[in-house]
Amino acid sequence: DSGVTQTPKHLITATGQRVTLRCSPRSGDLSVYWYQQSLDQGLQFLIQYYNGEERAKGNILERFSAQQFPDLHSELNLSSLELGDSALYFCASRTNTEGYTFGSGTRLTVV
Amino acid sequence: LAKTTQPISMDSYEGQEVNITCSHNNIATNDYITWYQQFPSQGPRFIIQGYKTKVTNEVASLFIPADRKSSTLSLPRVSLSDTAVYYCLVGDNRDDKIIFGKGTRLHILP
Repeated sequence: DSGVTQTPKHLITATGQRVTLRCSPRSGDLSVYWYQQSLDQGLQFLIQYYNGEERAKGNILERFSAQQFPDLHSELNLSSLELGDSALYFCASRTNTEGYTFGSGTRLTVV
Repeated sequence: LAKTTQPISMDSYEGQEVNITCSHNNIATNDYITWYQQFPSQGPRFIIQGYKTKVTNEVASLFIPADRKSSTLSLPRVSLSDTAVYYCLVGDNRDDKIIFGKGTRLHILP
């Protein structure tokens, strides 16, 4: 157990639908990073939050949004889903000495 | 952010030492070099981090030459369970959007 918790582990939904992925960082970590990994692809950085505020944004589609709540958990909202959005979605938190710590991911399948 | 280049894939045999080299010609003074390991359907896992010379932990060693334009991850006596993708990352620990790239797919053969 890395200490970063992601739910749900699996999600199957239809095109056009909206889903919410949830992440709780390690205790004491203020940052949350979201990554997308499609089949046999590298990790694509989506967005980062730090202590409730958006800190950096990567190649995140306009159909996707995220937020970090006062208790530091974060949610990634994916809307108007397309088949190409099927992927593993990881969140991570980070410290200077231990680098990134990733959760076990949410596997999203859009059918 | 420094760009990194590493081999797309490597094969080795159980019991061998495996060295994966990463090039980062544009590394900045404040940048650290960090390696991660990722198994299928799992999140990447931190292996080792270094700034210069050599760093060793219970899992691997990291060799960094004086010019820091490259680094080598060394895995001693690999086993089948070391089959994974290995990512080399370079950045200041304050960087907010580290790019992972596609990594090196290491395949260990019996």
